[in-house]
Amino acid sequence: SAVISQKPSRDICQRGTSLTIQCQVDSQVTMMFWYRQQPGQSLTLIATANQGSEATYESGFVIDKFPISRPNLTFSTLTVSNMSPEDSSIYLCSVSGYFGYTFGSGTRLTVV
Amino acid sequence: AQTVTQSQPEMSVQEAETVTLSCTYDTSENNYYLFWYKQPPSRQMILVIRQEAYKQQNATENRFSVNFQKAAKSFSLKISDSQLGDTAMYFCAFMKRGNAGNMLTFGGGTRLMVKP
Repeated sequence: SAVISQKPSRDICQRGTSLTIQCQVDSQVTMMFWYRQQPGQSLTLIATANQGSEATYESGFVIDKFPISRPNLTFSTLTVSNMSPEDSSIYLCSVSGYFGYTFGSGTRLTVV
Repeated sequence: AQTVTQSQPEMSVQEAETVTLSCTYDTSENNYYLFWYKQPPSRQMILVIRQEAYKQQNATENRFSVNFQKAAKSFSLKISDSQLGDTAMYFCAFMKRGNAGNMLTFGGGTRLMVKP
């Protein structure tokens, strides 16, 4: 299965600023997925990123708040913009494979 | 839309004992996959086991096995000979079978504590 390198692993940010999270995959993949995991909660899909087209966002998530880039088949970024304490979560990227989905190691974001 | 429900927010088990985590789901699809993922404190999501809905045989991976009841839409995970390293959040997940772009739908999770 694919190996995903995600960074940063954690960050503490000031409210009103932005943070960009990167995911690098060791093989070419058509789609990448970005999830949010709020404290003590399950994973919620933010958006699906397809190379060469705009990301598809789930209900409750908008491009202005969570812009995504997908410049090639092995890389994607998620930006959390104009952060507030409510954005404090774990953010994970993921790709699909034959045996299931593989996840990055997650980015723990704390907004103060 | 699919929904996945895990009715046990927390469970505990003694080391070396057996524990079963419950999962039910709701879907109108006939072809799909079900998964159990483990998330230890490291945050890494680790695939534990996967079941294809068209297979009647229950999946098994070493100490982990499932009881898949398609008609009842139930997909429980049994962990045998529990080990301290099994302490983690466990998520049940559903994926419609098809192209690679199908998303995972997760249950709310069960926090498992293995006690020495």
